[in-house]
Amino acid sequence: SQTIHQWPATLVQPVGSPLSLECTVEGTSNPNLYWYRQAAGRGLQLLFYSVGIGQISSEVPQNLSASRPQDRQFILSSKKLLLSDSGFYLCAWSFSYEQYFGPGTRLTVT
Amino acid sequence: DQQVKQNSPSLSVQEGRISILNCDYTNSMFDYFLWYKKYPAEGPTFLISISSIKDKNEDGRFTVFLNKSAKHLSLHIVPSQPGDSAVYFCAASGLTGFQKLVFGTGTRLLVSP
Repeated sequence: SQTIHQWPATLVQPVGSPLSLECTVEGTSNPNLYWYRQAAGRGLQLLFYSVGIGQISSEVPQNLSASRPQDRQFILSSKKLLLSDSGFYLCAWSFSYEQYFGPGTRLTVT
Repeated sequence: DQQVKQNSPSLSVQEGRISILNCDYTNSMFDYFLWYKKYPAEGPTFLISISSIKDKNEDGRFTVFLNKSAKHLSLHIVPSQPGDSAVYFCAASGLTGFQKLVFGTGTRLLVSP
């Protein structure tokens, strides 16, 4: 069966510091991969998605970036965090319409 | 521009009764709809889905109804249990293939014993 991992579970970072969140999927090959953010009291906002290694589509302009260096690895990065980057970050995978989510990372930018 | 809307931020129901969660969408190009359940500090869990060629899909205690003419879908939970207390998100897809889902803002369901 497929399993999706995210780490770290929680992260507190100062404004202006870099960010790297990692997501890996086990038990499948060549999935579609996604990064979402849920801000406090808000819905899920799609940030990036990838249909293959090195293929990244960005949904919203921001100071975040994503990379897919391996088939089952998806990384969310920032060179300099803003206060507005605080939120709950979720990685997901899919082959079709249904997307399956990881446990999430709670990021607090101070 | 909120293409998928959940107008009720919260819903309280007694254990054993029916919970009805509603969702409206604006774009008639959506052709697949999903419901997710989310506990605090966890990722959403897929519950049930429905294609636009159907008007009902049932899975155990969960039934999703789709009214295409009204651009409305609903999730019925019968009977409701305290463990169903969570935030429920509806989502829609189809505008650009299956790669992207558009989520509503969620409805918090509280099922009291």
